[in-house]
Amino acid sequence: GQQLNQSPQSMFIQEGEDVSMNCTSSSIFNTWLWYKQDPGEGPVLLIALYKAGELTSNGRLTAQFGITRKDSFLNISASIPSDVGIYFCAGRIGNQFYFGTGTSLTVIP
Amino acid sequence: GAGVSQTPSNKVTEKGKYVELRCDPISGHTALYWYRQSLGQGPEFLIYFQGTGAADDSGLPNDRFFAVRPEGSVSTLKIQRTERGDSAVYLCASSLVPGMDEQFFGPGTRLTVL
Repeated sequence: GQQLNQSPQSMFIQEGEDVSMNCTSSSIFNTWLWYKQDPGEGPVLLIALYKAGELTSNGRLTAQFGITRKDSFLNISASIPSDVGIYFCAGRIGNQFYFGTGTSLTVIP
Repeated sequence: GAGVSQTPSNKVTEKGKYVELRCDPISGHTALYWYRQSLGQGPEFLIYFQGTGAADDSGLPNDRFFAVRPEGSVSTLKIQRTERGDSAVYLCASSLVPGMDEQFFGPGTRLTVL
């Protein structure tokens, strides 16, 4: 299957700080997606990106679709305690979605 | 219903037993996906349905795994002769049409094989 690597694996930050995480793949994707998963829940879609170079925002979240179409990053500005969770990138090929290994975010109040 | 529901929320079974996991998608969603999520990993695609038919089952790990969606709504994932390595959270997701990026996930069924 497709391999998507996320970094960092985990982050511990102070409330109010900005966060940056990224995702790289050996394959080209036509769509990049970012999800957040809370404990005991399924992932929830945060942002979808459709074009190489595209930069998209959703509130305090900003994500970019890499020029090579093999990478993407997610930034969270002014983190708050409810940002805690695991963030997954995903790439889409056809009707299949391939998920990254996840970045665990802890926000210290 | 308001969202995707999955039952049971937890299932503990013994090695070699048969289990069924159920998914109730959002009403009207034609596409339904099953994923398996192991501890510390992202969801891994198993199978997806378009209506009643399995449009892509390439993610099923072996022939012990099977899924059905006989009326194009509820789906059941069936695992025969369970093995300890099958222990994981099994997630179901649905979307209005296949390939639509807005997939709505259920809370998952945590399967533990002793």
